[in-house]
Amino acid sequence: DAGVTQSPTHLIKTRGQQVTLRCSPKSGHDTVSWYQQALGQGPQFIFQYYEEEERQRGNFPDRFSGHQFPNYSSELNVNALLLGDSALYLCASSSRTGKYEQYFGPGTRLTVT
Amino acid sequence: AQSVSQHNHHVILSEAASLELGCNYSYGGTVNLFWYVQYPGQHLQLLLKYFSGDPLVKGIKGFEAEFIKSKFSFNLRKPSVQWSDTAEYFCAVNVGDTGRRALTFGSGTRLQVQP
Repeated sequence: DAGVTQSPTHLIKTRGQQVTLRCSPKSGHDTVSWYQQALGQGPQFIFQYYEEEERQRGNFPDRFSGHQFPNYSSELNVNALLLGDSALYLCASSSRTGKYEQYFGPGTRLTVT
Repeated sequence: AQSVSQHNHHVILSEAASLELGCNYSYGGTVNLFWYVQYPGQHLQLLLKYFSGDPLVKGIKGFEAEFIKSKFSFNLRKPSVQWSDTAEYFCAVNVGDTGRRALTFGSGTRLQVQP
């Protein structure tokens, strides 16, 4: 049973560019949440998708957007990259019936230069 | 909105020492509480969770945590740590009764266990 998978593992972008990160949820899960983990900090909630719509959003600017596909996989897009966007981006999946628990993927390390 | 505080940023212990990591949250209503662990080079894994019932919860690898509602605390404990417990530990909280609620994390505690 595959867990949460994310791609790519590492990414280097230049300030001002755009980036797309991808996530496939754990089998049986229909909900995907995205978190940003800056160095030395705990993960911060970006947004959550289920039924192909954004359902909750944290305190992140509109430069951060996402999408969920019919197979429950998800993308995180960040436009106009800033140096401060450098972080580990984590995807977590959960299900409506799997009470409380979110399963995390290995993350994508984004470096903005 | 809820928030989580972890007061110990870096803890160094010798093997067999006892561990207690502090976690306090602020939220006036009913919460669900979690401890996650991040071993070097690995992804976040759930250690234990509390959502109702017995306030003393047991998790994997000999860890336990106690929910004290009056103190808004959910401290993590282990009677005897091992070198393999070296990792970063995160306390988290959410509200609601499904897996569709955002987690709010503390800033983490780095635990270093010396052999």
